[in-house]
This record gives sequence, structure tokens and C-alpha cells, in this order.
Amino acid sequence: ETAVFQTPNYHVTQVGNEVSFNCKQTLGHDTMYWYKQDSKKLLKIMFSYNNKQLIVNETVPRRFSPQSSDKAHLNLRIKSVEPEDSAVYLCASSATGYEQYFGPGTRLTVL
Amino acid sequence: GQQVQQSPASLVLQEGENAELQCNFSSTATQLQWFYQSPGGSLVSLLSNPSGTKHTGRLTSTTVTKERRSSLHISSSQTTDSGTYLCAIVSGAGNKLTFGIGTRVLVRP
Repeated sequence: ETAVFQTPNYHVTQVGNEVSFNCKQTLGHDTMYWYKQDSKKLLKIMFSYNNKQLIVNETVPRRFSPQSSDKAHLNLRIKSVEPEDSAVYLCASSATGYEQYFGPGTRLTVL
Repeated sequence: GQQVQQSPASLVLQEGENAELQCNFSSTATQLQWFYQSPGGSLVSLLSNPSGTKHTGRLTSTTVTKERRSSLHISSSQTTDSGTYLCAIVSGAGNKLTFGIGTRVLVRP
């Protein structure tokens, strides 16, 4: 049963455009994450929020910015996308210190 | 930084065969999860096993924390087991997962 929801499923855009991805979890978890899975299939953490507060911010370009309105929502905005941003973006949530549950991902293609 | 190594990189099985996947990590893990990623891309948590042995269905995970390794045993494989198996650990602050590159499994009928 899906409890971490992501929209859109797919997005195709051109270099320089702005995109925004949404994530919502209905598990009551305190912590949410954004991961990026590149063309080599390696998953890497980008951001982590605990109860609307940023707690992990890996070295990602400044054009990426997470946005959290409450602990159940964590969106990701990318200003002026680049070709190397093409990837699958996965949102996850967890009760702090426990296992993480992932959404279905958003596949971004930058032309 | 933390590294997670998985082996083998890929595996081909005949349906009904067993398989053992390995995960080695470079520093102490407070949490370890095995995930399954379908060919379509969705990521499903299989087991959370920071130490000891855990079972779920046909899967058994054994983690030896002091040796920094974990294994995932698949018994009586089925064609629907085909996909990529990922090992991920949490270490240090921030509760972030560090993933291995995965083991790609193909089960032939």
C-alpha cells in the first residue's frame, strides 16, 4: 500500500526551465528525504528534513531547493535545469532513526 | 565517506535456485536496509536488519555488525524476484541512507 506519494511521475523539460516536484507522506513520520538516482542507478541523498527543519544538505548545486510546508510534505524545486539533472528523484520518509519508505519516484528528462 | 560495496554485480538464476547477495560497508552502521527495485523503478523496503538474522517470506538477512557485512539469501527463487537488490546503511548524524550500486538479479523460468 503506497504511503509516500510523488507527483508528477514523469517530466520532460528543456534546459533552463524551472521544475517542481511534490512529495507527501501519510505515515505520520517526522523525517523526509530527497534522493537522486542517476543514469548509473546509484542512489544518493540530496536533502533531509526533520519536522520542517533542514538537517542534511549534501553538496548539490544551488539551483536545487527543498521546500517543506509541514512534516508531511517535502517538495523539490529546480531552477534552471541542466542536462545532468536528468534522473529519477525519489522521496522517502521515516520515523527518525528507523527504516525509510520510498515513493515511486519522478523521472526527469532534460532536453 | 561511507562506502557500501555489493556483490555480485549481477546474477542469473534458474527458477527454484537459491542465491546469496553480499553487502560490505566501510564504517559502523546504526541501521541497515535491504531494498528491492523493480525493473519499472519503484523501491520497496525488504528488511531492516542492523544486526543479527531476520526472515521475511523467502528472504533471510544476516548482518555481522563488527565485520561490517550483511547478506541477503533468497530461497526458491521465482521469476518475479527479478530486479535489483540494494543494500543501504545509516551511519553518523542526519539519518541519511548511503546506498550500494546493487545486485541485478535475473530469474529465468
